[in-house]
Amino acid sequence: EPEVTQTPSHQVTQMGQEVILRCVPISNHLYFYWYRQILGQKVEFLVSFYNNEISEKSEIFDDQFSVERPDGSNFTLKIRSTKLEDSAMYFCASSEASGLTDTQYFGPGTRLTVL
Amino acid sequence: AQSVSQHNHHVILSEAASLELGCNYSYGGTVNLFWYVQYPGQHLQLLLKYFSGDPLVKGIKGFEAEFIKSKFSFNLRKPSVQWSDTAEYFCAVNCSGGYNKLIFGAGTRLAVHP
Repeated sequence: EPEVTQTPSHQVTQMGQEVILRCVPISNHLYFYWYRQILGQKVEFLVSFYNNEISEKSEIFDDQFSVERPDGSNFTLKIRSTKLEDSAMYFCASSEASGLTDTQYFGPGTRLTVL
Repeated sequence: AQSVSQHNHHVILSEAASLELGCNYSYGGTVNLFWYVQYPGQHLQLLLKYFSGDPLVKGIKGFEAEFIKSKFSFNLRKPSVQWSDTAEYFCAVNCSGGYNKLIFGAGTRLAVHP
């Protein structure tokens, strides 16, 4: 069964450094998402992406964040200057389409630790 | 704003006990409802979903959930749990006009003892 994959599984960085989290969505999917889960808190939506554009973003997704689909397979989340509060598990998801009936499939997550 | 509440944060059961996890959402329009499960060390997996039709939906591994529109609820049930059901369970909703943005509940951590 096709799966969403994410790399790395764990990233440790110093405050102020840039990080890029990578995701490979399921190959025939067209819609991509990033969510995050701070330890002990809810899974929160960050951004959705389609046709090389952001479809929707939450208030968490400020100017420090950006997303890109640099080639036909990868989908990346960049945090320009990490803060301590960016420490969280980041999940990538993809879906075939964006209708209400479309299921999002999640990757295993990248645990980001900002020191 | 749309939100999802899961009433039980931690549930401990013995094998063969019945399970019901509560989930309520706040949104007046059309919603689709999901339960995801996260086994220890693994990623979020879809357990079941409700889009329309029969409000009682059956998912994988013997789980089912009932959508009660008047109560804004989508509770997850399993008649007899197994040790392998130990996991965290997340209720999520997708609201009309939300570009498929999932709104999650806080999760319920289930521990099943042999």
